[in-house]
Parts: sequence; C-alpha cells; structure tokens
Amino acid sequence: QVQLQESGPGLVKPSETLSLTCTVSGGSINSYYWSWVRQSPGKGLEWIGYIYYSGRTNYNPSLKSRVSISIAMSKTQFSLKVNSVTTADTAVYYCARILRLGDPLDIWGQGTVVTVSS
Amino acid sequence: QSALTQPASVSGSPGQSITISCTGPSSAFGDYNYVSWYQQHPFKAPKLMIYDVNNRPSDVSDRFSGSKSGNTASLTISGLRAEDEAHYYCSSYTNTNTILFGGGTKVTVL
Repeated sequence: QVQLQESGPGLVKPSETLSLTCTVSGGSINSYYWSWVRQSPGKGLEWIGYIYYSGRTNYNPSLKSRVSISIAMSKTQFSLKVNSVTTADTAVYYCARILRLGDPLDIWGQGTVVTVSS
Repeated sequence: QSALTQPASVSGSPGQSITISCTGPSSAFGDYNYVSWYQQHPFKAPKLMIYDVNNRPSDVSDRFSGSKSGNTASLTISGLRAEDEAHYYCSSYTNTNTILFGGGTKVTVL
C-alpha cells in the first residue's frame, strides 16, 4: 500500500523560501509522476506542478517563475520549493501520485499546513 | 490558465440523484478524456472518485458516475446519502499537459 507523507516547516516568513518534502513509502518512486497541489483557506484546489522520476517537470504557468520540484530517488522523496512567498501562499500543501501522464492523482498525502507570516 | 467552472453548490434529499457540471476551455476538454472527479470531506485530503470521464476506482460506489459532452463534464450521484455531503472537484489535463481544477461544488444532503 503506497503512502505519501508531507513534511516541512509550518511557518515561513514573507519573502523567504517555502520548502516541503514528500516521502513515498510502500512502493517505488520509479516510473511514475509526482505532483504537488495546494489549497488556500476556504478555497479550492490549485495544481502546482509535477515531476517525472527521470527529473522532467511541468509547472502551473501562474506559479512557474517561483516554483521548483526536485526528486531524490535514493531517498524515495520529492520536494517542493516556492520562492519569495507572500501571505497568498498560505495553504494546505498536498503531494500526490500520477501513474502515467493523463492519469488522475490517485494517491494523496494527508496534507501539511504552511502559514506565511512575520 | 483558467480554472474549470463548477456551480458553487448543489443539494438534494436522501435517495435522490444530483448532477454537478464542469465546464472548461477546449484546450482542456477538447478531444481528451482525461477528466477526473475528487471528493473532499472537511479537513481531509481529496479522494479520487472518477477518472477518464466515466471510470471508477474499485473502492468507489457505483452510485457515482461521470460523463462528458463537448466542453462540459458531469458527475452524477445516485441514491444520495448523508455521507456524500462534501466538496467535489473536477479536473482535466490541458493540451500542454498541465492540470486544471474546478472551483469546487459543495454538495448538501437535505
């Protein structure tokens, strides 16, 4: 049973970099796509981007200039960085799996709350 | 990229059927069938309910069904139950392989 678990600081100061890690357990990180999605308080889901196990990435155009996703296969982890954060980046951040391009996000982590505040 | 458009809320009585619509640009729906639907209960992670327009994961009740016509996809919940009360989000790939979500629909069981 594949499980995903997000981890990282729950509080980030404005203008700094938000960094989160998703650890994959119970299965391989090979051959799949790994995605990040966020949800601002009381709002809907916003896709951030995904990474293929080979390192190829694709990002939401509205976030592309500030976001990067990387993968550490030896650790079965992938990570998210969001630069120059503002209060608008306050959200629950979810990591999720995509089996093949075009497939849905079939397995999700429980989510982690990140608050941007001084 | 624009989000997909869903009604803010839909309600129904137990046992009834309801349908949630999801409208998007041709760059999203077009000729593709990469439409999925997610259920989210408060303070929980989203759960996949429908994929590829009308396919259900094995752990999802057959009371949930999906369809698509042109640039509009739909999720129908038959035999509405109290536990179906949640937010529902549609999602689609675009022609540049990015992913769009709808704004979400709150389903209320009266």
